[in-house]
Amino acid sequence: DAKTTQPNSMESNEEEPVHLPCNHSTISGTDYIHWYRQLPSQGPEYVIHGLTSNVNNRMASLAIAEDRKSSTLILHRATLRDAAVYYCILRDGVGDYKLSFGAGTTVTVRA
Amino acid sequence: DSGVTQTPKHLITATGQRVTLRCSPRSGDLSVYWYQQSLDQGLQFLIQYYNGEERAKGNILERFSAQQFPDLHSELNLSSLELGDSALYFCASSVGGRPGNEQFFGPGTRLTVL
Repeated sequence: DAKTTQPNSMESNEEEPVHLPCNHSTISGTDYIHWYRQLPSQGPEYVIHGLTSNVNNRMASLAIAEDRKSSTLILHRATLRDAAVYYCILRDGVGDYKLSFGAGTTVTVRA
Repeated sequence: DSGVTQTPKHLITATGQRVTLRCSPRSGDLSVYWYQQSLDQGLQFLIQYYNGEERAKGNILERFSAQQFPDLHSELNLSSLELGDSALYFCASSVGGRPGNEQFFGPGTRLTVL
């Protein structure tokens, strides 16, 4: 599986944007970039995914570098409920479709 | 609420025993995935079923087995339990097995082996 690298932790203030970086320099042309998050004591939750173009949904935006070797998850206005571990995952587009979780980034939101 | 249900929520058992964890996917989802989350290993993929057939295998021990039934619910069987099997076990489901399909996770079953 292609590997991703994320910072261990990030802090943000409530109602400010949060930019979560992810490096995936060995990404293949068929890999999708997925983001999931896990709130305390809950199962992981889908956030967003993309292949080549930037993506927006009600939860977040995903900015993908032109060479696809990195991406950034953007939470536009952090709330206390956004405190979670965020996982950047590459999902093979031609093989099996499991999710390979790394250590993720622990996001802390200050009130 | 993701729509995925898992039972039981908590399970406490002894070494050497056998347990069964149950998962009901969201209505209409054909694919079921099992994951294990432990403190030292993080979240690891175990196995995937699609419409009753095994689709992919991850780091699943030989002591563990799973199946997906005609009504699409799935069971994960863990036998000859060891202390190290203590973990959170998550089930996830998706509409199909395509890479763009998001997975919906259940609340998990916390297994404690004493």
